Amino acid sequence: GAGVSQSPSNKVTEKGKDVELRCDPISGHTALYWYRQSLGQGLEFLIYFQGNSAPDKSGLPSDRFSAERTGGSVSTLTIQRTQQEDSAVYLCASSPGTPGLTQETQYFGPGTRLLVL
Amino acid sequence: GNSVTQMEGPVTLSEEAFLTINCTYTATGYPSLFWYVQYPGEGLQLLLKATKADDKGSNKGFEATYRKETTSFHLEKGSVQVSDSAVYFCALNPGMRGGYNKLIFGAGTRLAVHP
Repeated sequence: GAGVSQSPSNKVTEKGKDVELRCDPISGHTALYWYRQSLGQGLEFLIYFQGNSAPDKSGLPSDRFSAERTGGSVSTLTIQRTQQEDSAVYLCASSPGTPGLTQETQYFGPGTRLLVL
Repeated sequence: GNSVTQMEGPVTLSEEAFLTINCTYTATGYPSLFWYVQYPGEGLQLLLKATKADDKGSNKGFEATYRKETTSFHLEKGSVQVSDSAVYFCALNPGMRGGYNKLIFGAGTRLAVHP
């Protein structure tokens, strides 16, 4: 079946502009995660959704970052007033979200490569 | 806190050599442990996992054993191939008893295998 998909695959923006990154999880997966992969910081957790709620937003680096999920499926990560240090690959992952079963295998999308000029 | 430390790369080997990539962790609760691999130009793929102490994960000739006494999850392969060239990430998920449901990654180890 289809895996996790993300769009756009690449995004170039100017400093100060807002960007939206989209993630489509594997069908039926209720848990969704955003991570960031950058040269300086490696792979960092950003936020975790279970259904439409986000019990863990602890990895969001500033209030310029926000994410939402509607209908228990698609998620959007929004970065406002982008800065050059936001340049990174933004990865989305999903897992089945079986009740009472955490630590499930997470399946990753191909990522969105963001470059802020 | 929760963290993962893995050996720095790059690791350069000849085809058919033995591979070990060291990974140690600190964690609260009872974490699950994972190895993910990122081939050139591709996304992260799960390579193997172990969910409790003494479990051995294995896939594609790779193995790793969850050692609670040494807090380690070293990746091994007996005979590497050129196609194994990739970046390997060790990761843990602390789980809800550890207060979280997320992956915490090591810095990654680049492996280059030459014919």
